[in-house]
Amino acid sequence: NAGVTQTPKFQVLKTGQSMTLQCAQDMNHEYMSWYRQDPGMGLRLIHYSVGAGITDQGEVPNGYNVSRSTTEDFPLRLLSAAPSQTSVYFCASSPTSGSSYEQYFGPGTRLTVT
Amino acid sequence: QQQVKQSPQSLIVQKGGISIINCAYENTAFDYFPWYQQFPGKGPALLIAIRPDVSEKKEGRFTISFNKSAKQFSLHIMDSQPGDSATYFCAASSQAGTALIFGKGTTLSVSS
Repeated sequence: NAGVTQTPKFQVLKTGQSMTLQCAQDMNHEYMSWYRQDPGMGLRLIHYSVGAGITDQGEVPNGYNVSRSTTEDFPLRLLSAAPSQTSVYFCASSPTSGSSYEQYFGPGTRLTVT
Repeated sequence: QQQVKQSPQSLIVQKGGISIINCAYENTAFDYFPWYQQFPGKGPALLIAIRPDVSEKKEGRFTISFNKSAKQFSLHIMDSQPGDSATYFCAASSQAGTALIFGKGTTLSVSS
């Protein structure tokens, strides 16, 4: 199993540009999530999904969209990038149906918005 | 409102010593308390986790101590090694919840 994979590893955007961060898992996990990590702030939940076709907002959802058309994929879209979205983004998945227990994280995408 | 408070922010320990990181939570509905280890440039990795029905869980050199009445839990790293140098995050979640709530992290440096 490849586990949780994320692409790209690094990305630089200009203010106002849009892009999609890709996340995929091959473990057949129902629960998937997106976090952002900023210095001194820990990890904060952006959006999550408890299964295909079901998504919901986390603590910091503004400026981000998600969709979940398959169990494997959970892309994160930045609609109009802002410097405040400069961060490291992590995707995670959990084998525990309907809950966020035992989340396994991908390697992250480091995003810089200029 | 920070639901999981972690301390200290940074920690320096001599090789062979004991590293102790503490966390306190507010939500009594939390019933799952994991610790994650993160090396620079990598994603967090699940290290060890505990449920509130036990007061201690040990896996190798890593031990979680849990105090339900005080709403506190801690990570103890025995015989700390330079390879343990990393950032450690505590977290909490509940059966009814849909998110892991993370502490802000502790950067551990083990000097040789």
